[in-house]
Amino acid sequence: GAVVSQHPSWVICKSGTSVKIECRSLDFQATTMFWYRQFPKQSLMLMATSNEGSKATYEQGVEKDKFLINHASLTLSTLTVTSAHPEDSSFYICSANSGVAGPYNEQFFGPGTRLTVL
Amino acid sequence: GQNIDQPTEMTATEGAIVQINCTYQTSGFNGLFWYQQHAGEAPTFLSYNVLDGLEEKGRFSSFLSRSKGYSYLLLKELQMKDSASYLCAPGGGNKLTFGTGTQLKVEL
Repeated sequence: GAVVSQHPSWVICKSGTSVKIECRSLDFQATTMFWYRQFPKQSLMLMATSNEGSKATYEQGVEKDKFLINHASLTLSTLTVTSAHPEDSSFYICSANSGVAGPYNEQFFGPGTRLTVL
Repeated sequence: GQNIDQPTEMTATEGAIVQINCTYQTSGFNGLFWYQQHAGEAPTFLSYNVLDGLEEKGRFSSFLSRSKGYSYLLLKELQMKDSASYLCAPGGGNKLTFGTGTQLKVEL
């Protein structure tokens, strides 16, 4: 159980275009989803926290107008990189938790999306 | 704010034991996770500690001292497939903050 999928797994786009990445929880309802970005040989950096039916909470330094997040249902969150530029090329990873009370609230990670902007 | 410190790289021999240390300063601490990440893949969950002490899980064990802001991950009977990055991630609220990771290389 607790499987999270991402689509696409990789994408190459031209500078100035927008790219949408989907994150789905396949066998549980995710009250909260998280979006991370990871540059080569660096740590996962949290970009934003997404709660179903409400606006995402962005981390300091992350442009909310550039990285649009929509969490329209309990199983789907999308990240749209608008007007992508080469510096946005990175590995984008989502995670989800169910919000169920318990010893800990584990985050389940998707497989990641490799974005390359030419 | 969050501050996490772990060694950048470690090398160990197949069959041996290795300990990866992590020190952290975080607000609203509610537990510490260890994740394994192979290159180009998403992290996979290894362990979670919320109370002080050692949690054992097969070949992997994790230790936590909350008063010292210190944790370690212990890997026994190392296998070549254990070569990966190991991420220390203290939790605060419902967020995780990841360290830069320790790149472990297992050699014959």
